[in-house]
Amino acid sequence: GAVVSQHPSWVICKSGTSVKIECRSLDFQATTMFWYRQFPKQSLMLMATSNEGSKATYEQGVEKDKFLINHASLTLSTLTVTSAHPEDSSFYICSASVTSGRGLETQYFGPGTRLLVL
Amino acid sequence: AQSVTQLDSQVPVFEEAPVELRCNYSSSVSVYLFWYVQYPNQGLQLLLKYLSGSTLVKGINGFEAEFNKSQTSFHLRKPSVHISDTAEYFCAVSEGDKIIFGKGTRLHILP
Repeated sequence: GAVVSQHPSWVICKSGTSVKIECRSLDFQATTMFWYRQFPKQSLMLMATSNEGSKATYEQGVEKDKFLINHASLTLSTLTVTSAHPEDSSFYICSASVTSGRGLETQYFGPGTRLLVL
Repeated sequence: AQSVTQLDSQVPVFEEAPVELRCNYSSSVSVYLFWYVQYPNQGLQLLLKYLSGSTLVKGINGFEAEFNKSQTSFHLRKPSVHISDTAEYFCAVSEGDKIIFGKGTRLHILP
C-alpha cells in the first residue's frame, strides 16, 4: 500500500519556539493532504486540508496563523507550529488521499509526530 | 454533515474469542466506509474499506466488516483475536474529500 512518512517522529521544544513537521507521500502523488491532532485517548481532530499549490483550508476553531501549512509539491506538506506553548503539546498526524472521480477513496496516514512543549 | 458512532469505548475479550466492534453512521447518500487501527504511539493503519460491491469486506489481520445499508452500520469482526490485536480501532466515513472519524474503541485482549 501507499506509504506516508512524517519527520520528526517526536520533538521537544521550549515554549515560544516554532516547530516544523514534514509529511511526505513516498510512492505516490497526493494532491490533498490532511493534518490531524490527537489528544490522549481521543479520536483524531481534523485541523486542515492542504491542497498542492493553494492555501490550506482550516477547520473551525483552528488558528491559521498558529498552525502554518505549506503544500509545496505533490509529495510534501509541512505544518509549522508557531510560537509553541505547552497547550500545543499533542500527537500530530498527517494523511494523504487517493481520490477517484467520485471523491475520496482512501487516506493513508503517517506515523505521527509527538510534540512536547516545555 | 456525516457522523460516526462507535457505541463501545472499550471492549474486553479473551484471547482466541470472537469480537465485534460496532459502528453506525448517519447518511442518506452513498458513502465510503473505513476501519483504521492505531497501535500505541503510532499512526493509523487501514484495516479495510467499503467503496461499493460486496457488502462483506475482508481486511488485513483476519478482520472483516459488513456494510448494512438499512441499518447504516459497518461492524468490524474477527473470529479469533490475538494479544497483538490490542489497539484502538476507529470507524470512519467519507464526506466529500474528508474523512469523519468515530471516537474509537479500545480493544483489550485478556489472556
